[in-house]
Amino acid sequence: DQQVKQNSPSLSVQEGRISILNCDYTNSMFDYFLWYKKYPAEGPTFLISISSIKDKNEDGRFTVFLNKSAKHLSLHIVPSQPGDSAVYFCAASPYNNNDMRFGAGTRLTVKP
Amino acid sequence: DVKVTQSSRYLVKRTGEKVFLECVQDMDHENMFWYRQDPGLGLRLIYFSYDVKMKEKGDIPEGYSVSREKKERFSLILESASTNQTSMYLCASSYGGTQETQYFGPGTRLLVL
Repeated sequence: DQQVKQNSPSLSVQEGRISILNCDYTNSMFDYFLWYKKYPAEGPTFLISISSIKDKNEDGRFTVFLNKSAKHLSLHIVPSQPGDSAVYFCAASPYNNNDMRFGAGTRLTVKP
Repeated sequence: DVKVTQSSRYLVKRTGEKVFLECVQDMDHENMFWYRQDPGLGLRLIYFSYDVKMKEKGDIPEGYSVSREKKERFSLILESASTNQTSMYLCASSYGGTQETQYFGPGTRLLVL
């Protein structure tokens, strides 16, 4: 039972354009959401997070949007750069513990 | 800077062998986690520990056990390795509060023949 779903296994965008990665979740107990980035042969690295009390969090080129009623979050990367090419994992955890659940990942390719 | 290290980057074992994967973190984190990553399935939680000598099962604990004798070290044990345990194993750690970011090690790619 996958509680966090990333329905697009891959995404390809042109350098300079916007990348939008999507994530859906089913567990209404989730209230903390994160995006991780993973390069081949490395562990995931934390990118950005958002608490359920917010609907948007921005950090430089990266913005995460949360729509609680739709149980949906998205990561926007503007402008996309070739170095952003990686697998992006969406993750979520409940309010009362650190039991985090991950999506299957979306492979982003940014073409020069 | 948080550092999470894993004892091996690549490991090849035979079916039936006992396998130990070690993870060490240097940030005095209370929580430690073991995941496996498989294509199309993302990261799945095997076990986690929120304190020394404490452990909790994750989503896929079957075939695995863990040990946490010291705060900084969390070991994953495959009692009798099987081919379906061929995977990338990732260790992570975090502080003990809620809404804490997990920090990952580089991973161990295990091949069971």
